[in-house]
Amino acid sequence: NAGVTQTPKFRVLKTGQSMTLLCAQDMNHEYMYWYRQDPGMGLRLIHYSVGEGTTAKGEVPDGYNVSRLKKQNFLLGLESAAPSQTSVYFCASSPRTGGADTQYFGPGTRLTVL
Amino acid sequence: AQSVTQLGSHVSVSEGALVLLRCNYSSSVPPYLFWYVQYPNQGLQLLLKYTSAATLVKGINGFEAEFKKSETSFHLTKPSAHMSDAAEYFCAVSGDAGNMLTFGGGTRLMVKP
Repeated sequence: NAGVTQTPKFRVLKTGQSMTLLCAQDMNHEYMYWYRQDPGMGLRLIHYSVGEGTTAKGEVPDGYNVSRLKKQNFLLGLESAAPSQTSVYFCASSPRTGGADTQYFGPGTRLTVL
Repeated sequence: AQSVTQLGSHVSVSEGALVLLRCNYSSSVPPYLFWYVQYPNQGLQLLLKYTSAATLVKGINGFEAEFKKSETSFHLTKPSAHMSDAAEYFCAVSGDAGNMLTFGGGTRLMVKP
């Protein structure tokens, strides 16, 4: 059981470049999430998905797009990277959302935009 | 609406001393409360959670937290700090099913030998 995995672990982009972060989970969870972590701000929700083929905006969605074509995968895209998107990105999954459900996190992707 | 405030972005204790990390929340519905821990260069993992079954919650690695509704608090404690406890700790709140998890800003715990 690998849990939640993220690819890549590190990436450096130039302003205006695009990239896709891949998240995969093998726990058959319905819900998946993308967060960004910035110093002193905790984790902020970018986008989330309540099931295959669905996506929704979180707290800070601007500049990002997502897709959930398969239940086990959740992709986060940056179409035109900006320095403000320099951050550590975490993917998480859970059986449901809200209530007492635990979210399971991946190891993170450290992105630097120059 | 829900929010979490963690008092103290950095806390330093000596090995063997009491660990106290503070968390206050606001929620318009009865909350579910969580503490997650993040070790260096790793993702977050659940330390413990309050699900209304008991106000004193015990977690992994000797940590516990007490839910105090009157104080809207969920402080994390450990009687005796160990060097391996050095990490960043996040308090989070959730409401009923369908509510997203809201995180506090995090507290970095440093343990001195």
